[in-house]
Amino acid sequence: DVKVTQSSRYLVKRTGEKVFLECVQDMDHENMFWYRQDPGLGLRLIYFSYDVKMKEKGDIPEGYSVSREKKERFSLILESASTNQTSMYLCASSPGGSKETQYFGPGTRLLVL
Amino acid sequence: AQSVAQPEDQVNVAEGNPLTVKCTYSVSGNPYLFWYVQYPNRGLQFLLKYITGDNLVKGSYGFEAEFNKSQTSFHLKKPSALVSDSALYFCAVGDSFGNEKLTFGTGTRLTIIP
Repeated sequence: DVKVTQSSRYLVKRTGEKVFLECVQDMDHENMFWYRQDPGLGLRLIYFSYDVKMKEKGDIPEGYSVSREKKERFSLILESASTNQTSMYLCASSPGGSKETQYFGPGTRLLVL
Repeated sequence: AQSVAQPEDQVNVAEGNPLTVKCTYSVSGNPYLFWYVQYPNRGLQFLLKYITGDNLVKGSYGFEAEFNKSQTSFHLKKPSALVSDSALYFCAVGDSFGNEKLTFGTGTRLTIIP
């Protein structure tokens, strides 16, 4: 079975802090994704990566950056956390190519005070 | 640009009755379509997908979905609802132009009433 793990289930940070969310997958997938989930808005893509050190902006990249130094690990960075970044963050991975199923981690619920 | 609409925020169904969760989509080329389920405080779990072929797709937990090209719909169905089916359901669409990105709907909360 595909396993996608996220470093924290719950996180509380203060405004202005730098926040790191980490995601690890164990299936040698080429693609990795970061989404945020908000009530009434569904899932919105922040960034995705199709290879090591490669990244592409999603629909809402502002205020976020990402890092993929190893194939299995994809990090989401909030350079200076703000209250409007309070959300559920979901990581996913999929094999290379289109039409592939994305497999999700359990999510990190981030509260920015 | 691709898009997905889930017109119902909330669907309530009596246990044992058939259920339908609606999804319509818009893509430039041929679509590929997914249904995911999310239980409380969990990530999304894959239920089923349509790529090509038979319009009726069968998935996990007794769910199935019907692809209708003329109506650009991909409704999720189950013949007999269980209380354990209560969850948040997401439809997602991708296109056939080599784009790995999926676009998700806003979700439908399904509640099965005992």
